[in-house]
Amino acid sequence: DIEMKQSPATLSVSPGERATLSCRASQSVSSNLAWYQQRPGQAPRLLIYDASTRATGIPANFSGSGSGTEFTLTISSLQSEDFAVYYCQQYNNWPRTFGQGTKVEIK
Amino acid sequence: EVQLLESGGGLVQPGGSLRLSCAASGLTFKNYAMSWVRQVPGKGLEWVSTITGGGGSTFDADSVKGRFTSSRDNSRDTLYLQMDNLRPEDTAVYFCSKGGWLRGFDFWGQGTLVTVSS
Repeated sequence: DIEMKQSPATLSVSPGERATLSCRASQSVSSNLAWYQQRPGQAPRLLIYDASTRATGIPANFSGSGSGTEFTLTISSLQSEDFAVYYCQQYNNWPRTFGQGTKVEIK
Repeated sequence: EVQLLESGGGLVQPGGSLRLSCAASGLTFKNYAMSWVRQVPGKGLEWVSTITGGGGSTFDADSVKGRFTSSRDNSRDTLYLQMDNLRPEDTAVYFCSKGGWLRGFDFWGQGTLVTVSS
């Protein structure tokens, strides 16, 4: 199975600042990587697929980059609604696997 | 607008069975792979199963293989998860999601809680 590791586990950021989240795969997943946001009490929401393509309706302050084993999600200017848990997920191989999540909290 | 509505969760004893349903609307259901993803409250996401659009192929996590079965009724736009021989570690919120083949899981239901306990 491909293991997905996210860092850091928790990121403390002030509103309006930039947040950079990392995701590392234990072997190459090409660009078959997605990012999700999950707010408390809600279902996850797809933000990014194919490592860098924003899903429908996702604002431009969310961007993804990387390929192979190293990926980054950047939130350029954090708004109050962006404080949540973020997960990466690979869909290059079965079983599909998720990272353990990065919690973005208010500093 | 795509909507996915899960039902069928509840409390079941270890070794028992439960069938989850996911009613889909706002999409041509038969055209899309569908998946189940679960989440222990307060923990991370775990992929459970994916079924192709026609229902001819399924992919299951090792943790549920031989115990859980995904199926679909494209005439009713409904996805199912038959869960047998349930274990306490299966306790989680189960989400129905569109996709799982390409582009990740692009729409999610609100989830249904399954509790396995005596």
